[in-house]
Amino acid sequence: QVLLQESGPGLVKPSQTLSLTCTVSGGSITRGSYYWSWIRQPAGKGLEWIGRIYTSGSPNYNPSLGSRVTISMDTSKNQFSLKLASVTAADTAVYYCARDLDSRTGHWAQGTQVTVSS
Amino acid sequence: DIVMTQSPDSLPVSLGERATINCKSSQSLLYNSDNKNYVNWYQQKPGQPPRLIIYWASTRESGVPDRFSGSGSGTDFTLTISSLQAEDVAVYYCQQYYSTPLTFGGGTKVEIK
Repeated sequence: QVLLQESGPGLVKPSQTLSLTCTVSGGSITRGSYYWSWIRQPAGKGLEWIGRIYTSGSPNYNPSLGSRVTISMDTSKNQFSLKLASVTAADTAVYYCARDLDSRTGHWAQGTQVTVSS
Repeated sequence: DIVMTQSPDSLPVSLGERATINCKSSQSLLYNSDNKNYVNWYQQKPGQPPRLIIYWASTRESGVPDRFSGSGSGTDFTLTISSLQAEDVAVYYCQQYYSTPLTFGGGTKVEIK
């Protein structure tokens, strides 16, 4: 059974870069036909897709975030990561990493709260 | 971007009664090559991540009770809970997986009347 766990700072200053890592256990991130995804949810609000990276390492991003977002993989650690540059208070949210297969997001991590504040 | 519009925002339902949630997409989610509708439904309880309950519009995820069903095609989709149980109190989201950026509906909060 695959398990995903986010890690990273819970507090980020405005204009800085938010960096989160998702550690995957129970399966290799380079095997299979999976997308490894990031989704976020501001408090009391809905879900926003940030982007994903395929097992081959090819990423897709939400254009609404412009060039601020980067998703990458570290195959040696079985992890994938999110970097979001130039953050503002609007980026405050619970961030989820997840695994997609066959056009659905079937495995989610518990989520991690990230607050942008000075 | 494909816009997903859910209704209602809030749905009070008596225990044992039917709950129906609607989701409308701004363009068809039917992929002609495989005749599948690329819409998923998720259930989210407070403090928990979303849980996939329905995919391809009408296929129930493993372990999901059969009181949950999905229907619809093209641009109009429905999630039905045939007999509401206390543990079904949650926010439900539809999602389109037809094209990126993937998008979600605004959510429907199901509560006990």
